[in-house]
Amino acid sequence: EVQLVESGGGLVQPGGSLRLSCAASGFTFSSNDMSWVRQAPGKGLQWVSGIGSGYSTSYADSVKGRFTISRDNSMNTLYLQMNSLRDEDTAVYYCAKRAAPHGSYFDFWGQGALVTVSS
Amino acid sequence: EIVLTQSPATLSLFPGERATLSCRASQSVNSYLAWYQQKPGQAPRLLIYDTSNRATGIPARFSGSGSGTDFTLTISSLEPEDFAVYYCQQRGNWPLYSFGQGTKLEIK
Repeated sequence: EVQLVESGGGLVQPGGSLRLSCAASGFTFSSNDMSWVRQAPGKGLQWVSGIGSGYSTSYADSVKGRFTISRDNSMNTLYLQMNSLRDEDTAVYYCAKRAAPHGSYFDFWGQGALVTVSS
Repeated sequence: EIVLTQSPATLSLFPGERATLSCRASQSVNSYLAWYQQKPGQAPRLLIYDTSNRATGIPARFSGSGSGTDFTLTISSLEPEDFAVYYCQQRGNWPLYSFGQGTKLEIK
């Protein structure tokens, strides 16, 4: 059974940093592209960042230069390092698995980690 | 950048009725369009991928159709558990993925 479990969310002041983790199990993590998708309170879904099985990375304009996505295949874990956080980064952050081998969609999602940026 | 526009924003129907949700892309996405269902406090769940393929475990009352820029999610006969928010999604060059703004399906 595929499982994605996020952790590391919490309350942080504007300008602060936070690192999210996503522990994956039930599939060959190293062979799969992964993404972070966020949802601000009462709003829709927004793709944030993705990392390929070959470690290529991509970011939404709104987070480029502030967020860094990475992966540790030995630990089956996806990360999102978030720096220079802003009020508008407040959201539930989901990690999502891209359907293999070259799907254009996400077949599994974690339950999400809430990040609140507030003074 | 491909923008996805969903309509209507809210759809009010009775259980047993047929629901038709629309997703329009600002340029062609070929057949690479997916639909997700999200209930309050839950993560999105994949319903349909590549326009018309049901994901594992999704009931046959859910179907997808369309091509190019116009896509439709149809629920043939609404069950109480179908009332939720629905999002369409595409994968492009930039941004890598984008979502529609969602359609809220509510009980009338």
